[in-house]
Amino acid sequence: GENVEQHPSTLSVQEGDSAVIKCTYSDSASNYFPWYKQELGKRPQLIIDIRSNVGEKKDQRIAVTLNKTAKHFSLHITETQPEDSAVYFCAASVTGGGNKLTFGTGTQLKVEL
Amino acid sequence: GAVVSQHPSRVICKSGTSVKIECRSLDFQATTMFWYRQFPKKSLMLMATSNEGSKATYEQGVEKDKFLINHASLTLSTLTVTSAHPEDSSFYICSAISSLAGGNEQYFGPGTRLTVT
Repeated sequence: GENVEQHPSTLSVQEGDSAVIKCTYSDSASNYFPWYKQELGKRPQLIIDIRSNVGEKKDQRIAVTLNKTAKHFSLHITETQPEDSAVYFCAASVTGGGNKLTFGTGTQLKVEL
Repeated sequence: GAVVSQHPSRVICKSGTSVKIECRSLDFQATTMFWYRQFPKKSLMLMATSNEGSKATYEQGVEKDKFLINHASLTLSTLTVTSAHPEDSSFYICSAISSLAGGNEQYFGPGTRLTVT
């Protein structure tokens, strides 16, 4: 089955700096890669996703890049703000293959003033 | 749109009792719902995939007789934790995929915090 690794497990940045979180996946059939933000005790919220037919996607301060050959994808947050502090999870799935999500282990992001 | 609710949000039960958690898609029909378990400071682990009108598909290591899943309609799936024990204490989250969307974005419920004493 799919295995998703995520690094780093914790990340501390100064407000205004950029943050990068990286994930690798094992199943070459995976073609959908969402990123979620989860605050303590809350549901995961989809912040951005990318499909395997594109290499990069951007939405305001958030961007995701995908390298299918290397089987890795990354989340980039620019101009970080304190409200960006949360746990971020990457995930991978196969469209039509049951659509099961395999999650990474999570990154605790702390944006310090 | 695409709202998923869960009930209850929190439940405390005694060891040996059963607890039922409901997951509803409020404004869309969901042919597929998923149940996850999340321990403190850990990731979401898929427990089972629930398809309307058919038996759930459980992930390896998840006891189907302990975690009973029923997907009776296109808007409701239930998870029953039978004979709960303290090690079953966790955050249980459901998600749903819209039958119309044609994609694979999962909409998550708010989660249910189960504490077994």
